[in-house]
Amino acid sequence: GAVVSQHPSWVICKSGTSVKIECRSLDFQATTMFWYRQFPKQSLMLMATSNEGSKATYEQGVEKDKFLINHASLTLSTLTVTSAHPEDSSFYICSARERAYGYTFGSGTRLTVV
Amino acid sequence: DAKTTQPTSMDCAEGRAANLPCNHSTISGNEYVYWYRQIHSQGPQYIIHGLKNNETNEMASLIITEDRKSSTLILPHATLRDTAVYYCIVRVDTGGTSYGKLTFGQGTILTVHP
Repeated sequence: GAVVSQHPSWVICKSGTSVKIECRSLDFQATTMFWYRQFPKQSLMLMATSNEGSKATYEQGVEKDKFLINHASLTLSTLTVTSAHPEDSSFYICSARERAYGYTFGSGTRLTVV
Repeated sequence: DAKTTQPTSMDCAEGRAANLPCNHSTISGNEYVYWYRQIHSQGPQYIIHGLKNNETNEMASLIITEDRKSSTLILPHATLRDTAVYYCIVRVDTGGTSYGKLTFGQGTILTVHP
């Protein structure tokens, strides 16, 4: 089946620094990828839709200047959390759609900002 | 996309069938029913999806009522590893290369006990 690889699986960073999370589709091309955020005991909240070769579409209330998304190729999308603060600590998950297998999700990245 | 309603939590004995209900009374004719599950601290995993006919795969069965206003996911022989949050999602499957977003509700916490 379709596989989406997300890296790193966990990261700890200092407040004020930036963190980049990578999402790769391993055996298929993904023109569209999705980024979600999940706080403890809550459901997944869609942050943005990442489109290859164009600007991402952000959901209402998500700061585009804080959560930078780059989808430079058909197999790679990155999410950069800029000037991270403790309230940005969360579980970040990416997803991609493959025609035969539907939506496939990465394993997630646990971000802790100290 | 149509809204879904699921019970907050359910219990099931190991080896027994787990029947997870989902109400989607406002579903449109071109909206599919998707089921995903999320095991703690992992990305969601695709289980099954369907439009109007009942579906079965190696993981589960999906029973959709004739009026399509509700559905039931059946795990025929639940194991401890099936303990997870199960999400029922309805959305249009546009096919092609333009894929819309997947919106998650609160889901059902299924606990399988020995």
